[in-house]
Amino acid sequence: AQSVSQHNHHVILSEAASLELGCNYSYGGTVNLFWYVQYPGQHLQLLLKYFSGDPLVKGIKGFEAEFIKSKFSFNLRKPSVQWSDTAEYFCAVLSGNTGKLIFGQGTTLQVKP
Amino acid sequence: EPEVTQTPSHQVTQMGQEVILRCVPISNHLYFYWYRQILGQKVEFLVSFYNNEISEKSEIFDDQFSVERPDGSNFTLKIRSTKLEDSAMYFCASSGGTRTDTQYFGPGTRLTVL
Repeated sequence: AQSVSQHNHHVILSEAASLELGCNYSYGGTVNLFWYVQYPGQHLQLLLKYFSGDPLVKGIKGFEAEFIKSKFSFNLRKPSVQWSDTAEYFCAVLSGNTGKLIFGQGTTLQVKP
Repeated sequence: EPEVTQTPSHQVTQMGQEVILRCVPISNHLYFYWYRQILGQKVEFLVSFYNNEISEKSEIFDDQFSVERPDGSNFTLKIRSTKLEDSAMYFCASSGGTRTDTQYFGPGTRLTVL
């Protein structure tokens, strides 16, 4: 069965610091990968997704992620975080033929002003 | 921008009682999902629904759970006899014309079983 692992459970950064959140998935075939964000008090929303093509994917709010097939990784990056990026971040993989998403444990990012 | 909505935002119930969680997906979407997140744990898939039938369900989705799209706009999750371990945040999601379309999530219903 597919699984997703996020290594960092809680990350604390100062504003303007660079961010990289790790995500590894278990499946070796064709993968569709996602990063979702949940701001405090809000619902999950899509940051970016990878289906095929350019392995460097750009999303909203200056986020990007790189798909590295050989490492089974899809790490999320942002060069300079802001206080408003404080949120929980979830990596997910699409599983099977019914649209099922399998999520990682989530990473709580706290950005100090 | 269209949104998925869920009601109620918080439901408290006694163990053994039936609960119905309601969702209004985005109007032209065709695929519907329920997920749940127990406090401190991962978001877990429960069920996917397409063309008025369940397309996939997880091991969690046992006989106590059912889903329905009663009127073409609402999408409900029923738990017939709640257990303490059903306490969680329940998220509804919908997506457009294909299974790979982006899933849009509702704000969730926090279910507390006493």
